[in-house]
Formats: sequence, structure tokens, C-alpha cells
Amino acid sequence: GAVVSQHPSRVICKSGTSVKIECRSLDFQATTMFWYRQFPKQSLMLMATSNEGSKATYEQGVEKDKFLINHASLTLSTLTVTSAHPEDSSFYICSAMATGRGSPDTQYFGPGTRLTVL
Amino acid sequence: GENVEQHPSTLSVQEGDSAVIKCTYSDSASNYFPWYKQELGKRPQLIIDIRSNVGEKKDQRIAVTLNKTAKHFSLHITETQPEDSAVYFCAARPDNTDKLIFGTGTRLQVFP
Repeated sequence: GAVVSQHPSRVICKSGTSVKIECRSLDFQATTMFWYRQFPKQSLMLMATSNEGSKATYEQGVEKDKFLINHASLTLSTLTVTSAHPEDSSFYICSAMATGRGSPDTQYFGPGTRLTVL
Repeated sequence: GENVEQHPSTLSVQEGDSAVIKCTYSDSASNYFPWYKQELGKRPQLIIDIRSNVGEKKDQRIAVTLNKTAKHFSLHITETQPEDSAVYFCAARPDNTDKLIFGTGTRLQVFP
């Protein structure tokens, strides 16, 4: 099946630093990727839709200047949490839709990145 | 915008029994409804999905039903096994978009 990877799997950083998370589609091209945040024992909350070659579309309440998204190629989207604070600690998961492969509706998820801000 | 509610939040069943999880959605134009299984600390994995032009879909022990009039859809797991224990999320896709709106999740525990 379609494989999505994320790097790093976990990161611990000091308050005020920026953290970049990469999401890659390994065996397919993805014109659209999504970024979610999941707090412990809660659901997946969509943060933004990342489109290759264009600006990301952010959900209401998500600060675009704090969560920078870049989708520079058909296999890579990055999420940068700028000036991270303890309240940004969460599990960040990306997903990708496989262009021209399998079901056009399916979102394949990455393994997630656990961010801890001290 | 679309809103998805999911019940129950927790569900405990004996191995071999059936489990049913229900979701309701608010946007009548939503057209795609997947179900994901997420084990602790792992990625969500698609287990079954249904489109708005279909009323029921089955894959071995798993089935999904959709009632468009009532705007609800359900996941049915028969002959449950301990390895079915996980958190299950339903989702709905609003019309004219690719994004998914997730339900709040159901923690299913299957006791041997």
C-alpha cells in the first residue's frame, strides 16, 4: 500500500525554539497533504491542507505564522512550529492523498511526530 | 461547517461478541465516510469506507452502514477479537473538499 513517513518521530525542544517536521510520501505522488494535531486521548484536529506549489489552507483558529507549511514537491511537505511553547506539545500527524493510485478518496497517514516543548 | 459526533466514547465487549459504533454528521452534502483504527502511539489506519451513493459495505468481520436521510453511519465489528482493541475514529468529507472531519473517537476493549 501507499507509505507515508514522518521525521523526526519525536523531538524535545526548549521553549522559544523552532521545530521542523517532514512528511514524505515514499511510493506515490501527493498533490495534497494534510497536517493534524492530536492531544492525548483526543481526536485528530485538522490544522491545514497543504497543496503542492501553492499556499496552505489553514483551519479556523490555526495561526499560519506560527505553523509554517511548505509543500515544495509532490512527495514532501514540511510543518515548522515557530517559537514553540509548552502548549504546542502534541502529536503531529500528516496524511497524504495518493494521486492516481488506488482509491482517490483515501488518506494515508504518517506515523506521527511527538513534540515536547520544555 | 461539518461537525461529526461519535458514540460511545468507550466500549467494552467480550471476545466473540459484536461491537457497534455510531456517528452522526451535520452537513448533508458530505459524500465520503471512512473509519480509521488507531492503536496507542501509532498512525490511524483505514479499515473501511463508504461513499454517499452506497447504503452498506462489508469486508469480512467489518461492515459500515450509511443512512443519508438521518445523516448517520455506523461501524459494525462481528466476532470481536482482543486484537480489535484500539481507538476507532469515524470521519466525514464535506462536498467540494478533500479534507476529513473526524469524530471524537471510541476506545474499544475486547476482553478474552
